[in-house]
Amino acid sequence: DTEVTQTPKHLVMGMTNKKSLKCEQHMGHRAMYWYKQKAKKPPELMFVYSYEKLSINESVPSRFSPECPNSSLLNLHLHALQPEDSALYLCASSPQVAVRGGDISPLHFGNGTRLTVT
Amino acid sequence: DAKTTQPPSMDCAEGRAANLPCNHSTISGNEYVYWYRQIHSQGPQYIIHGLKNNETNEMASLIITEDRKSSTLILPHATLRDTAVYYCIVRVHSSGSARQLTFGSGTQLTVLP
Repeated sequence: DTEVTQTPKHLVMGMTNKKSLKCEQHMGHRAMYWYKQKAKKPPELMFVYSYEKLSINESVPSRFSPECPNSSLLNLHLHALQPEDSALYLCASSPQVAVRGGDISPLHFGNGTRLTVT
Repeated sequence: DAKTTQPPSMDCAEGRAANLPCNHSTISGNEYVYWYRQIHSQGPQYIIHGLKNNETNEMASLIITEDRKSSTLILPHATLRDTAVYYCIVRVHSSGSARQLTFGSGTQLTVLP
């Protein structure tokens, strides 16, 4: 079991649909991440939130819209996706403790949402 | 962050030690070496990390060479449940900011019965 919960586990959507992926953690972590993973490839970073503010956007198309309503929740809103956006979407969190020398905390990952765009 | 090189695949007999190598010849002084693994259909799982010294925890040992240009993850008694893709990552730290984790291609470890 993972301490980062992602819902739904599977999602099938059409190219004109609007859907949202949800991620939740109750470990008190202040950094949250979205990664995208295509089949047989490593995860690729999409977004990083630090203290509920977007700190990194890896040039992700605007059809993906992240939202961090509070420190425990992270959403990814999807609109007008393409079939090539089909992938495993992973959420992660880390404590983001601002200590001398920087944050060396490992990331905790959820098990992802398997998205299929038809 | 420095680039890492790992063999694409390795086999290991159940009960034997699995030694997974990683080359990070361009690593700089403030970069840590992290290891994660990803079992099929699950999210990546943190295993261990280190800077200079060898490290050991309940899952594995991490051996970092003196020049820090390479490292080896050791699973002392591999089981079938250790079959996974293992990622070696170097990650720089800066005070007060969230640092992303950039995954390389990883090594597919298959533990054979």
